[in-house]
Amino acid sequence: DIQMTQSPSSLSASVGDRVTISCRASQSIDNYLNWYQQKPGKAPKLLIFAASTLQSGVPSRFSGSGSGTDFTLTISSLQVEDFATYYCQQSYSSPVWTFGQGTQVEFK
Amino acid sequence: EVQLVESGGGVVQPGGSLRLSCAASGFTLRKYWMSWVRQAPGKGLEWVANIKQDGSERYYVDSVKGRFTMSRDNAKNSLFLEMNSLRAEDTAVYYCARDSSWDKTAPGGDFDNWGQGTLVTVSS
Repeated sequence: DIQMTQSPSSLSASVGDRVTISCRASQSIDNYLNWYQQKPGKAPKLLIFAASTLQSGVPSRFSGSGSGTDFTLTISSLQVEDFATYYCQQSYSSPVWTFGQGTQVEFK
Repeated sequence: EVQLVESGGGVVQPGGSLRLSCAASGFTLRKYWMSWVRQAPGKGLEWVANIKQDGSERYYVDSVKGRFTMSRDNAKNSLFLEMNSLRAEDTAVYYCARDSSWDKTAPGGDFDNWGQGTLVTVSS
């Protein structure tokens, strides 16, 4: 099975900060990498698919990059509504998928 | 508007059974692969199972193989997850999720719409 490892597990940031979250796959997954945002008590929301394609309706301050085994989610200027937990997910090993353990973005 | 509404969660004893349902609306269910994804309390997301548009293919995470069965009724716009031989480690919120790949023979693996989830608690 492909393992997905996110870092850090949590981070503290302020409104306006640039935030970067990393995700590493245990083997190459090309660009089959998706990012989700989850707020407490809510369902996850797809932010980015295919490593760098923004889902419709997602603000442009979110961006994704990477290929192979190393990926990054960047929030260019953190907003109040961005405090949440973020998950990466590989969609390479069809039809069985795995998620990273999550990164919690907290208010500093 | 796409809507997915799960139901059927509750408290069940270890070894027991439960059947979850997911009512879909606002889109043509028969065109999409669908999945169940779960989240144990305070933990991360775990993909559980998926099913092809016509129900002819189903796949499961190893930990539920032989115990869980996913099915669908496109005429009734519904998905199901039959869970047997439940264990404490199956305790989680179970989400119904739509795969974004419309009318494809293989799932894309990115989930563009989710339900609100239903909580399953396995405890004596």
